[in-house]
Amino acid sequence: DTEVTQTPKHLVMGMTNKKSLKCEQHMGHRAMYWYKQKAKKPPELMFVYSYEKLSINESVPSRFSPECPNSSLLNLHLHALQPEDSALYLCASSQAASGGLFNEQFFGPGTRLTVL
Amino acid sequence: AQSVSQHNHHVILSEAASLELGCNYSYGGTVNLFWYVQYPGQHLQLLLKYFSGDPLVKGIKGFEAEFIKSKFSFNLRKPSVQWSDTAEYFCAVRDTNAGKSTFGDGTTLTVKP
Repeated sequence: DTEVTQTPKHLVMGMTNKKSLKCEQHMGHRAMYWYKQKAKKPPELMFVYSYEKLSINESVPSRFSPECPNSSLLNLHLHALQPEDSALYLCASSQAASGGLFNEQFFGPGTRLTVL
Repeated sequence: AQSVSQHNHHVILSEAASLELGCNYSYGGTVNLFWYVQYPGQHLQLLLKYFSGDPLVKGIKGFEAEFIKSKFSFNLRKPSVQWSDTAEYFCAVRDTNAGKSTFGDGTTLTVKP
C-alpha cells in the first residue's frame, strides 16, 4: 500500500465553525506533513511531524492545530478560519523527516477547503 | 536556505512539439530532486525523481530529466507533447539533511491540439 488518503475531499465551513481534516498512511512512514496550496501556486509547508512529535511549524496561525494521534494518522483541526484560508490542503508522508537518500514524500489527494 | 527557480511561468506548445522546462536550485548540500505534475483540479503526481547515480532519469508518460550538478539544474524534457500534458508542473528539491522540501513556483503548460 503506497497510498496516502485524506478525508474529506471537499469541505465548506463558516468562519465560526470547528472542523478537522484527516490523513492516513499505512506505509510505516514516521514523518508526516501538512501543506497548503493556493490555486496556481506551489505547495507551502505548514507542519512536519517526526515520530509523532511536531518538529517543524512554519509560523502557521494558531487557528490551525495539528495532531498526530499515532504513526499512521495526522489531523489538522480548524477553528475560526478566514476566507483567505480557502485552499487545497495536502498531506504527505515519508520514511523519515530528515536525513538519507531515497526519502521521497508521498502526497495525498488533498482536501479542498472553502471558508465562507 | 534552499530555493528553487522555474524560469518559464507559462509555456504554450502545439501537439508533437518538444518540451523543456527549466529548474535551477540553490543549495550547497546533498539534495533529492523531483518533478511533479498537477492536472487541472487534481492532486500532485510524481513524474520522476533523482536520488543518485545516472543523472538522466526517466519518468512516467515519456518524461525525462537531466541533473547537471555543476549548473544546479534539473530540467524536464519530453520529445513530443500531447494535449493531455496540459497541466501545472512543479520542480522540488529536498534537503537530505533537514528533510525539508522546497517547490518552485510552477510552470503552466498549455498544449494546443
